[in-house]
Amino acid sequence: DIQMTQSPASLSASLEEIVTITCQASQDIGNWLAWYQQKPGKSPQLLIYGATSLADGVPSRFSGSRSGTQYSLKISRLQVEDIGIYYCQQASSAPYTFGAGTKLELK
Amino acid sequence: EVQLVESGGGLVQPGRSLKLSCAASGFTFSNYYMAWVRQAPTKGLEWVASITNSGGSTYYRDSVKGRFTISRDNAKSTLYLQMDSLRSEDTATYYCTRDEEWSFDYWGQGVMVTVSS
Repeated sequence: DIQMTQSPASLSASLEEIVTITCQASQDIGNWLAWYQQKPGKSPQLLIYGATSLADGVPSRFSGSRSGTQYSLKISRLQVEDIGIYYCQQASSAPYTFGAGTKLELK
Repeated sequence: EVQLVESGGGLVQPGRSLKLSCAASGFTFSNYYMAWVRQAPTKGLEWVASITNSGGSTYYRDSVKGRFTISRDNAKSTLYLQMDSLRSEDTATYYCTRDEEWSFDYWGQGVMVTVSS
């Protein structure tokens, strides 16, 4: 199985701050990487697919990038509504594995 | 508007069966792969199974292979998950998702399954 190592596990940031979350794949997955946001008590929502493509309706302050087998999610200016848990997921091969999640809180 | 509405969850004893349903609307159901993803209490996300748009092919994680069966009825725009020989470790919220090239672009509200004696 492909392992997705996500960091940090938790993160405290201020409003308008730039936030970056990373995910390391255990092997080459190309651009088969998605990011999700899960707000407290809600279902996950797709943010990014194909490593860098923004899903429909997602604010442009979210962006995804790739460097080899390391993937990053960047929030350019943190807003209150961005609080929640973020997960990466590899879509390269079954079983389609998720990272352990990053809990983002307001400082 | 895409909507996915799960039903059929509940409390079940170990070794027993349960069948989840997911009613889809707002898109052409027969054009899309579909999947189930679960989340154990206070834990992360775990892909369970996927099915092609025609239903001709199915994919499972190893821990549910031989116990769970994903299926669909395109005429009814409904996705199913038949869960047999349930174990305590299957306790989770189960989400119905639309599977777009193995990432999940729409999610239902989730249905809780508790396996306990």
